[in-house]
Amino acid sequence: NAGVTQTPKFQVLKTGQSMTLQCAQDMNHEYMSWYRQDPGMGLRLIHYSVGAGITDQGEVPNGYNVSRSTTEDFPLRLLSAAPSQTSVYFCASSYSLAELTRAREAFFGQGTRLTVV
Amino acid sequence: DQQVKQNSPSLSVQEGRISILNCDYTNSMFDYFLWYKKYPAEGPTFLISISSIKDKNEDGRFTVFLNKSAKHLSLHIVPSQPGDSAVYFCAASADYGQNFVFGPGTRLSVLP
Repeated sequence: NAGVTQTPKFQVLKTGQSMTLQCAQDMNHEYMSWYRQDPGMGLRLIHYSVGAGITDQGEVPNGYNVSRSTTEDFPLRLLSAAPSQTSVYFCASSYSLAELTRAREAFFGQGTRLTVV
Repeated sequence: DQQVKQNSPSLSVQEGRISILNCDYTNSMFDYFLWYKKYPAEGPTFLISISSIKDKNEDGRFTVFLNKSAKHLSLHIVPSQPGDSAVYFCAASADYGQNFVFGPGTRLSVLP
C-alpha cells in the first residue's frame, strides 16, 4: 500500500521558474491538502481540496495554484518561484467529514525539499 | 500570532523515563487535537488524538491529556525509548474540520 506519494523529493529552481509538485494517494480519500514546513513555524496550510473539482485556499496560498481533476491526484503549481518559497512541502490526505465514523488524522507524503536560488 | 504553541523547542530524556511534551492553544473553537511524530527526511506520522469532549486518551505507551480551561494539552510517553527520538508536532482543528493548525514542534531526544 503506497499511501501518499510525492515527487520529486528534491528540486532546485531559479527565481522566476515555474514547476509542479506532484501528489498522489491510493486510499480513496476525499480530502487532500498541501502544507509547507519552515524552521520554527510548524506546518502551514497552503491549499486544500474536499473532493474532485473542489479546491480552496489555506493560510499561505499566495504564489501557488492547485487543481483536483481526480480523487487520487492533487498537484501544486508554483507560478513564478521566489526565494521565499524555499521550504519543505508536504502533501496529505484524509477521510472527509462525511465519513464521521472514520478517524480524522491525515496521512502525509515524504515531502519535497525545494530550494529557490 | 501562533494559535498553537509548543514552547519547548527541544527536550532530552533518559531511556526508560517519562517524556512530557506540552502544547498550548489560543483558539477556543478548537475541538480536536492530534500529535504527530516526524523523523528526518520523512513525512509526519499520526501518533494519537483527542476530542474536546474527553480529557484523556491512551494508546500503549502514549497518553494525551487535555485541559480545556487552561487551553493546554500534553503528550506523555512512558517509558521513553531511543526510537522515540523525533520531532513531535501538536495540531488542532475547529468545527470538526479537516484543516489543522500545527505548532512549531518539539525535538525529543531519548538518551540510552
